[in-house]
Amino acid sequence: ETGVTQTPRHLVMGMTNKKSLKCEQHLGHNAMYWYKQSAKKPLELMFVYSLEERVENNSVPSRFSPECPNSSHLFLHLHTLQPEDSALYLCASSQEDQGGTYTGELFFGEGSRLTVL
Amino acid sequence: GENVEQHPSTLSVQEGDSAVIKCTYSDSASNYFPWYKQELGKRPQLIIDIRSNVGEKKDQRIAVTLNKTAKHFSLHITETQPEDSAVYFCAASGNEKLTFGTGTRLTIIP
Repeated sequence: ETGVTQTPRHLVMGMTNKKSLKCEQHLGHNAMYWYKQSAKKPLELMFVYSLEERVENNSVPSRFSPECPNSSHLFLHLHTLQPEDSALYLCASSQEDQGGTYTGELFFGEGSRLTVL
Repeated sequence: GENVEQHPSTLSVQEGDSAVIKCTYSDSASNYFPWYKQELGKRPQLIIDIRSNVGEKKDQRIAVTLNKTAKHFSLHITETQPEDSAVYFCAASGNEKLTFGTGTRLTIIP
């Protein structure tokens, strides 16, 4: 397996469910990201992990909870979501320099299509 | 924070013609400007990028130009082909994380 892989590819959940999205990168990168992609909106950065530490949390509701157990794995735990949270959730990784300027190429996964009923 | 605006939102061009997509940014400290292409049902992929120390960069049929004074940058695709049909996203970063534009859906008409 190469690149960035995400599971599941599709997820349907009720508002009271708890589920998790998983991302794994096989590129040896030191930074991982969660993006939300909704129709007619720009890609929204949700979380950034650099060297397994969370360095960015863009005012994301607490019903989204990220976890980065090591530099190759990233999770997004979902709890009591709302219908407006339905979107494509993209994981990405990159290799960043020590200055943390985040100008490395982003390698995206195929995404997890989430539908909240 | 950075704000990136992208135009047009949709663009249709005849196969073989050129396509131009434009973006403006707000943060004068931004110094890195990538372009990503997302084909239908697939992941976004980097196609070209430019840093603020150059004004233009070209890679075969794709070129990007940057005007730092006006704070805008553009993607140019020449001799368009059906496989160029996709959504294209511009982005900008500098002191903060990458900020994306809203995307341009490019359709190549055979």
